[in-house]
Amino acid sequence: QKEVEQNSGPLSVPEGAIASLNCTYSDRGSQSFFWYRQYSGKSPELIMSIYSNGDKEDGRFTAQLNKASQYVSLLIRDSQPSDSATYLCAVRVGAGNNRKLIWGLGTSLAVNP
Amino acid sequence: SAVISQKPSRDICQRGTSLTIQCQVDSQVTMMFWYRQQPGQSLTLIATANQGSEATYESGFVIDKFPISRPNLTFSTLTVSNMSPEDSSIYLCSVSLELRNTIYFGEGSWLTVV
Repeated sequence: QKEVEQNSGPLSVPEGAIASLNCTYSDRGSQSFFWYRQYSGKSPELIMSIYSNGDKEDGRFTAQLNKASQYVSLLIRDSQPSDSATYLCAVRVGAGNNRKLIWGLGTSLAVNP
Repeated sequence: SAVISQKPSRDICQRGTSLTIQCQVDSQVTMMFWYRQQPGQSLTLIATANQGSEATYESGFVIDKFPISRPNLTFSTLTVSNMSPEDSSIYLCSVSLELRNTIYFGEGSWLTVV
């Protein structure tokens, strides 16, 4: 059974701080990793994807991937109250038309003004 | 990204009835996915719908309960049959954009079964 695990939170950080969200996965063969943000009552929206070991930066967001440790994280710098949401980690498994995403349960983030 | 439109966006349904959710994409896509998200839960994949083939259902989901159509590369429907209150959920259509190697979601269909 392929799994993706996240701390459910809630993770609470003050405005302006760095929020660190973590995710581990079980399928060692996975090559594609995604972070989605979901506001209450809305559908998930893609924040970042990462495929290679190391860091990938996009604005205030940095995704970090360590395939040896089967670990992917998301850092949010200068956290804002508008970042308060549930963050979902997803890992792609399979190939061709059998590709699909395995989802974590999500981490709830609260950024306090 | 892709523009994905779902209808209805919200509905209240009577127990025992069926409802069909439509998903329209503004570009041709090979792979479309239907998810369910129950209150306070993460996403659960119902099935993968590829054009020209039968939908592939995940464990716990069957075609009689969730029939899916995929008549072309821009459109799909999911029917929730013989609904019960346990089917109250958000149903999400998503598409895989192969060149971007990622998945995008529609706005979702919020169903409440009474």
